[in-house]
Amino acid sequence: AQSVTQLDSHVSVSEGTPVLLRCNYSSSYSPSLFWYVQHPNKGLQLLLKYTSAATLVKGINGFEAEFKKSETSFHLTKPSAHMSDAAEYFCVVSGSGDKIIFGKGTRLHILP
Amino acid sequence: GAVVSQHPSRVICKSGTSVKIECRSLDFQATTMFWYRQFPKQSLMLMATSNEGSKATYEQGVEKDKFLINHASLTLSTLTVTSAHPEDSSFYICSARDYLAGGNQETQYFGPGTRLLVL
Repeated sequence: AQSVTQLDSHVSVSEGTPVLLRCNYSSSYSPSLFWYVQHPNKGLQLLLKYTSAATLVKGINGFEAEFKKSETSFHLTKPSAHMSDAAEYFCVVSGSGDKIIFGKGTRLHILP
Repeated sequence: GAVVSQHPSRVICKSGTSVKIECRSLDFQATTMFWYRQFPKQSLMLMATSNEGSKATYEQGVEKDKFLINHASLTLSTLTVTSAHPEDSSFYICSARDYLAGGNQETQYFGPGTRLLVL
């Protein structure tokens, strides 16, 4: 069975400072992992994905994530936050079959 | 890029009535579409998997007679909330997989969602 845990429901950072959104996963299979962003009243957008290739994955808008099997983690980072990064972020795990599991989400607040 | 649309974007209905929500893949064909429900400040919960030309597969705890899903073509799936009640008020999101692009999770695109309010 697969599961995903986002460790923080809310994260606040100042504009221009680094962002860290934490995600831990559990999977019986070699998982595929994703980060999605959801802006208010907009659809989910894929930020980046890990599918057993390079463990450090670069995504859009300057985000990246590192797959650490030993820690079962897939944390999302960005060196410098921008006001437009304020949104809800979901960590997602996909295993066998069609099903995917969403984390509970982390709301990122950017302070001016 | 691939676009998935939902209609309507928001709807208000009276208790006891039925509401139909459409999910369309605008520039690709989707043999598989998914319907999710998102409660306020919570994550997305998969309700059902919709396969073109066959019956939908519902997740445990989701009433198939309550939430009717029809996937009549490769670009359209509909979710009908029958005999709606206030507790059905929620944000409903669909997603579609681009079959010709591989049809896997990497090619899954989400619609903007439909906010349903049942009075």
